[in-house]
Amino acid sequence: ETGVTQTPRHLVMGMTNKKSLKCEQHLGHNAMYWYKQSAKKPLELMFVYNFKEQTENNSVPSRFSPECPNSSHLFLHLHTLQPEDSALYLCASSQDSRIPTGEQYFGPGTRLTVT
Amino acid sequence: GDSVTQMEGPVTLSEEAFLTINCTYTATGYPSLFWYVQYPGEGLQLLLKATKADDKGSNKGFEATYRKETTSFHLEKGSVQVSDSAVYFCALSDLRDDKIIFGKGTRLHILP
Repeated sequence: ETGVTQTPRHLVMGMTNKKSLKCEQHLGHNAMYWYKQSAKKPLELMFVYNFKEQTENNSVPSRFSPECPNSSHLFLHLHTLQPEDSALYLCASSQDSRIPTGEQYFGPGTRLTVT
Repeated sequence: GDSVTQMEGPVTLSEEAFLTINCTYTATGYPSLFWYVQYPGEGLQLLLKATKADDKGSNKGFEATYRKETTSFHLEKGSVQVSDSAVYFCALSDLRDDKIIFGKGTRLHILP
């Protein structure tokens, strides 16, 4: 595998379910990001991790819970979601968020539908 | 706060047509500017960037010039191909941190 991978690619869940999204990067990067992409809206940055430490939580509701066990893996745990949380969730990585370049590498995303 | 505005889509062109996708920005400092592209079923990829006024970013036949006087970074290509069909995102970053501010995206359809 190369680049940034995300699983699953599609997920349908009820509002009472608990599920997790997984992201893995094979680029040797140290920073990882979660974004939410909704139709007709700009990408929304949700969380940033650098060297496994969370450095940004962009006022995200607590029903979204990130986890970064190491620099290569990032999870987004989901519980009691709302229909308005349906979106494409994108993971990205960069070399080191303390040395910003504006260059981030994105995975293909997980299309989430909350019913 | 900083923001990016780009033209609404979708934009539909015939193959070999000239492409312009407009992008303007608002920023308090001197940001770096980017165009990212998202092909169907894929994540975003950096297409080109410019880090200071009058810089021209270019890649794969696409070009954009950082115009400070008009706060613009329009994307152009002289002859588009069907394979250019994608969503294009204009973006900026002040590089004080690793946050990128994206526009809403412009969907481009190229007809054969």
